[in-house]
Amino acid sequence: GQNIDQPTEMTATEGAIVQINCTYQTSGFNGLFWYQQHAGEAPTFLSYNVLDGLEEKGRFSSFLSRSKGYSYLLLKELQMKDSASYLCAVSDSNYQLIWGAGTKLIIKP
Amino acid sequence: IAGITQAPTSQILAAGRRMTLRCTQDMRHNAMYWYRQDLGLGLRLIHYSNTAGTTGKGEVPDGYSVSRANTDDFPLTLASAVPSQTSVYFCASSDGRGGTDTQYFGPGTRLTVL
Repeated sequence: GQNIDQPTEMTATEGAIVQINCTYQTSGFNGLFWYQQHAGEAPTFLSYNVLDGLEEKGRFSSFLSRSKGYSYLLLKELQMKDSASYLCAVSDSNYQLIWGAGTKLIIKP
Repeated sequence: IAGITQAPTSQILAAGRRMTLRCTQDMRHNAMYWYRQDLGLGLRLIHYSNTAGTTGKGEVPDGYSVSRANTDDFPLTLASAVPSQTSVYFCASSDGRGGTDTQYFGPGTRLTVL
């Protein structure tokens, strides 16, 4: 079957760095997405990786290793507004997104 | 620019009743999707449409139907609601294939079936 694994919850301190991991087993691979979802709101796009390596976008970076079935989202200089759930999703062989359950990130002052 | 709108925002429904959730986008995107989101589970695809006039089944299509008469609208119908359909429903759209293009989500409909 297809599976996306992420930690359920993480806690970090304002101003610090946090890494949210995602491992996947899917039938085929056409890229990996990270979305941010604040409580009670819709998911919003953060990043898309289809090739191995690190993609940096401001305070957020996303890494992919296709051979290991692994990705991480790195958030630097954490701000209180970064408190949200972070969703990992993989595009499978049918170009459908398989979603992880999300990682709830709690930022403490 | 509205993006994607969904209606209603929330609804409480008696089991056995018919319900249509509305979704409209103004971005002229080709593809549209319906997901449900339940606590502790990832978003699950119910139905999708790659272009107006075509629809397809996702991971959890049973009990739901969709239509795509035009580019902008993608309603989701529950023919006879059951309590297990209590969930938050998100509509999304993408310019091209959602598997490689960014999906843009509506604000969601919170549905409770009693």
